[in-house]
Amino acid sequence: AQRVTQPEKLLSVFKGAPVELKCNYSYSGSPELFWYVQYSRQRLQLLLRHISRESIKGFTADLNKGETSFHLKKPFAQEEDSAMYYCALGGGSQGNLIFGKGTKLSVKP
Amino acid sequence: GEEVAQTPKHLVRGEGQKAKLYCAPIKGHSYVFWYQQVLKNEFKFLISFQNENVFDETGMPKERFSAKCLPNSPCSLEIQATKLEDSAVYFCASSPNRVNTEAFFGQGTRLTVV
Repeated sequence: AQRVTQPEKLLSVFKGAPVELKCNYSYSGSPELFWYVQYSRQRLQLLLRHISRESIKGFTADLNKGETSFHLKKPFAQEEDSAMYYCALGGGSQGNLIFGKGTKLSVKP
Repeated sequence: GEEVAQTPKHLVRGEGQKAKLYCAPIKGHSYVFWYQQVLKNEFKFLISFQNENVFDETGMPKERFSAKCLPNSPCSLEIQATKLEDSAVYFCASSPNRVNTEAFFGQGTRLTVV
């Protein structure tokens, strides 16, 4: 079955500390992985997708097929990074996304 | 438009009443997706459209839920005879393609059934 697991409901770090939001997936085919972010009172928006291998706002994520993971990392967290982060799995013929339950990142000053 | 527009933002219905939610996708996007988020948990996929055709409705409850995307009109999601468990935020997303592409989300409609 297709599934996305984000084990941490809440992650709290201090400004300037490294941050890693974990995401594991279960998928039999060729996965497409995404990270979406939802800042307070804003709509869900795409942060990263694995296929583009880009860095957005200092965040990176590497798809590890052996570990079936797509962890989101940033070396130095900023207060403005505080938000809900959702890992999502695509790649099925239907085109819809399968989301994890989300991790709330709180960056303290 | 440049953003996915969902109306209304909030909707309160008594149990058994009908609820209708609207979504205007971004112009030029062929695909529309509806998701349900209950109690800030994960997003549950409901249904998708390719233009005005239902593409995948495997997530739609068989009873009470229906959806349409008609030409030159906002897409709609209708719930007949709402139940308490239908209380959720309903998100609409649109994308230009079906796979390997960014989905653009609306701000959601919060449905409260009392």
